[in-house]
Amino acid sequence: GAVVSQHPSWVICKSGTSVKIECRSLDFQATTMFWYRQFPKQSLMLMATSNEGSKATYEQGVEKDKFLINHASLTLSTLTVTSAHPEDSSFYICSARGGVSSYEQYFGPGTRLTVT
Amino acid sequence: AQSVTQLDSHVSVSEGTPVLLRCNYSSSYSPSLFWYVQHPNKGLQLLLKYTSAATLVKGINGFEAEFKKSETSFHLTKPSAHMSDAAEYFCVVTKMDSSYKLIFGSGTRLLVRP
Repeated sequence: GAVVSQHPSWVICKSGTSVKIECRSLDFQATTMFWYRQFPKQSLMLMATSNEGSKATYEQGVEKDKFLINHASLTLSTLTVTSAHPEDSSFYICSARGGVSSYEQYFGPGTRLTVT
Repeated sequence: AQSVTQLDSHVSVSEGTPVLLRCNYSSSYSPSLFWYVQHPNKGLQLLLKYTSAATLVKGINGFEAEFKKSETSFHLTKPSAHMSDAAEYFCVVTKMDSSYKLIFGSGTRLLVRP
């Protein structure tokens, strides 16, 4: 149990276009979903926290107008990278928290975004 | 404020020898601590977690970690390394507020020599 999927697993887009990444909890309802960004050979950097039915909370330095997050249901959150530029190329990973008082997060397999 | 420090950026061992990945944490309260593993271009897999129960925590794939409050450590060990253990390992501590955020260490890359 506790499986999180991401789609797509990798995507290449042209500079200036927008890309949507989906994160789904397959067998549980996710109270909260988190979006992370990971540069090569680095640790994960939290971008934002997403709660179903409410606006996402962004970490300091993350542009909310560039990284649009929607958490429409308890099993789906989306991250849209708007007007992508080459510097947005990265590995994006989502995670989901299921239990009301649980700190454990279940991670998706990640999405590799390359902007040309 | 909570933080976590992974003391080694790289650890290299021979197959069949013990593995030790070091992690120290800083927290005003008794934290929840996790070890995650990440294979190349993959997401994170939970190895084990400490949540104030037994101080010696056993995880998957033969890994275990011991929570030592006096030393503020949560080192990850395995008696015998396997080639498939080669990956990046992250020590993680929970942020002790209502956000449920995780604070990641910088990671330790484990290399396993044949």
